[in-house]
Amino acid sequence: AQSVSQHNHHVILSEAASLELGCNYSYGGTVNLFWYVQYPGQHLQLLLKYFSGDPLVKGIKGFEAEFIKSKFSFNLRKPSVQWSDTAEYFCAVRSSNTGKLIFGQGTTLQVKP
Amino acid sequence: ETGVTQTPRHLVMGMTNKKSLKCEQHLGHNAMYWYKQSAKKPLELMFVYNFKEQTENNSVPSRFSPECPNSSHLFLHLHTLQPEDSALYLCASSQTTTYEQYFGPGTRLTVT
Repeated sequence: AQSVSQHNHHVILSEAASLELGCNYSYGGTVNLFWYVQYPGQHLQLLLKYFSGDPLVKGIKGFEAEFIKSKFSFNLRKPSVQWSDTAEYFCAVRSSNTGKLIFGQGTTLQVKP
Repeated sequence: ETGVTQTPRHLVMGMTNKKSLKCEQHLGHNAMYWYKQSAKKPLELMFVYNFKEQTENNSVPSRFSPECPNSSHLFLHLHTLQPEDSALYLCASSQTTTYEQYFGPGTRLTVT
């Protein structure tokens, strides 16, 4: 079955630390990749997306993600986190075969001031 | 009003009640979606509408009945729900089904 796996369920960092959240998927073929963020009390927002082209994608608020096709991965990174980055982060993958958007289980990021 | 709105934001209902959730998108999109978000579980796609036609029913029980009267509005009619149906129900929209989705704030549903 097609699936999306986020390795870390709960990450705690201090401000200015670097962040990397893992995301792996099990599809073959062409995929579209997304990271969404849900800040406390707010709705899901698109952080960044990859459809084609440069595998290093830059999103809002200093986030970036790298698509590594050979590893079926789309890890999210930020060089220096802020307290305001405290949120839940969701990786999502859409296969061109099914057209369905499948989400990972989410990673809760807590940034300590 | 911009983006995707959902009403009500919170709903408590008994197992014998009938209620409806409403979603409205102000983005000019043609595809709309219902998702279920339960604690500690990935978002589960429930229904997809593309140009008002249902294109996906992800094996959802018949006690959940969607309705899409036009591309801007989506409803989820609820009838004889179970306590395990308690969750956050999210609506999303996209330009078409091949574009990124934009989410509403959700309706927190509690079934007693």
